[in-house]
Amino acid sequence: AQSVAQPEDQVNVAEGNPLTVKCTYSVSGNPYLFWYVQYPNRGLQFLLKYITGDNLVKGSYGFEAEFNKSQTSFHLKKPSALVSDSALYFCAVRFPGYSTLTFGKGTMLLVSP
Amino acid sequence: DAGVTQSPTHLIKTRGQQVTLRCSPKSGHDTVSWYQQALGQGPQFIFQYYEEEERQRGNFPDRFSGHQFPNYSSELNVNALLLGDSALYLCASSGPDYNEQFFGPGTRLTVL
Repeated sequence: AQSVAQPEDQVNVAEGNPLTVKCTYSVSGNPYLFWYVQYPNRGLQFLLKYITGDNLVKGSYGFEAEFNKSQTSFHLKKPSALVSDSALYFCAVRFPGYSTLTFGKGTMLLVSP
Repeated sequence: DAGVTQSPTHLIKTRGQQVTLRCSPKSGHDTVSWYQQALGQGPQFIFQYYEEEERQRGNFPDRFSGHQFPNYSSELNVNALLLGDSALYLCASSGPDYNEQFFGPGTRLTVL
């Protein structure tokens, strides 16, 4: 079955340290992969996407993600976390043949001062 | 460009009632998708409208219905509300490139 998973409910990191938020997927064919961020009482904001090409994708606010086909992963990374990065992060997949998104359950990122 | 707008922001209903939520897509977008985000969960796809017709549907009962107007705006209707329908309802719009989906701020529905 096609699915997307975020194995961590919460990630804690100190300001200035690198952060990683994990995402794995299961799909037949080549997926399109996305990361969105949600601040309290707000909608989803687009961060970055992988469609094809270079496995390292750079996005908004200094975030980047690496597509790893062999490990079926698309982890979100940032070299130096900010307190303002604290939010709920969603990985999403657009499966081949579909125009809609399937989301993971989300990972809460908490960056401490 | 106002982006994707949704109304109302918040809504409180009682069980058994009916509700209508509204969405205006980003300028230039002709496709509208609706998602339900329950507390502590990721958004779940409800359905998608294109050219005033439902094009795809997720695993939601017939109590959930929708409409798209000629100006591409859309409505989500939920009949016979249940407590479990309490959630944040998100609207997303896109153009020909389905990899560019923009989300609205959502409507918070509380069913008492």
